[in-house]
Amino acid sequence: DIQLTQSPSFLSASVGDRVTITCRASQDITSYLVWYQQKPGKAPKRLIYAASTLQSGVPSRFSGSGSGTEFTLTISSLQPEDFATYYCQQFNTLFGGGTKVEIK
Amino acid sequence: QVQLVQSGPEVKKPGASVKVSCKASGYTFSSYGVSWVRQAPGQGLEWIGWISASNGDTKYAHKLQGRVTMTTDTSTSTAYMELRRLRSDDTAVYYCARLVAGPFGFDYWGQGTLVTASS
Repeated sequence: DIQLTQSPSFLSASVGDRVTITCRASQDITSYLVWYQQKPGKAPKRLIYAASTLQSGVPSRFSGSGSGTEFTLTISSLQPEDFATYYCQQFNTLFGGGTKVEIK
Repeated sequence: QVQLVQSGPEVKKPGASVKVSCKASGYTFSSYGVSWVRQAPGQGLEWIGWISASNGDTKYAHKLQGRVTMTTDTSTSTAYMELRRLRSDDTAVYYCARLVAGPFGFDYWGQGTLVTASS
């Protein structure tokens, strides 16, 4: 089975910071990588699909990159509403362990 | 607009079964799959499986094979997830989500259903 390792699991940052979250797959998953944002008590929300395509309506400060086994979600300038937990997902199945982004 | 509306919270005793429903609207139900994901209290997302609403094909997570069954009723655009022989560690919020074939993930989600397995 393909393993998916997301890092870091916890991140403390300030408004305006550039934030990077990484997801590593144990095997080549081409571009079958999706990023979600989840806020407490809410269902996840799709941010990025096919590794780098921004979901309609999602601010352009979010971007995704990578292919094969290494992927990155970047928030160029963290905003107050971005404090949440972020998950990657491979092949529409396994999720990464999550990255909780908290206010510094 | 696309909506997935799930059934209400459930409290079951260990060893019992639970069946959660997910009613879809705003799109052609048979053109997409439905996936199920759960989240235990304070934990991350766990993929349970998916079902094709066009032909009923299913794929389940290894961990839950033998205890989970997913079905659909195309006449009512409703998907169902049944989990049998409940254990206390099955306590979680269960989500349904619309699956888009290809590297697209889940674009719409239900509101979640809390299933509590407790004696």
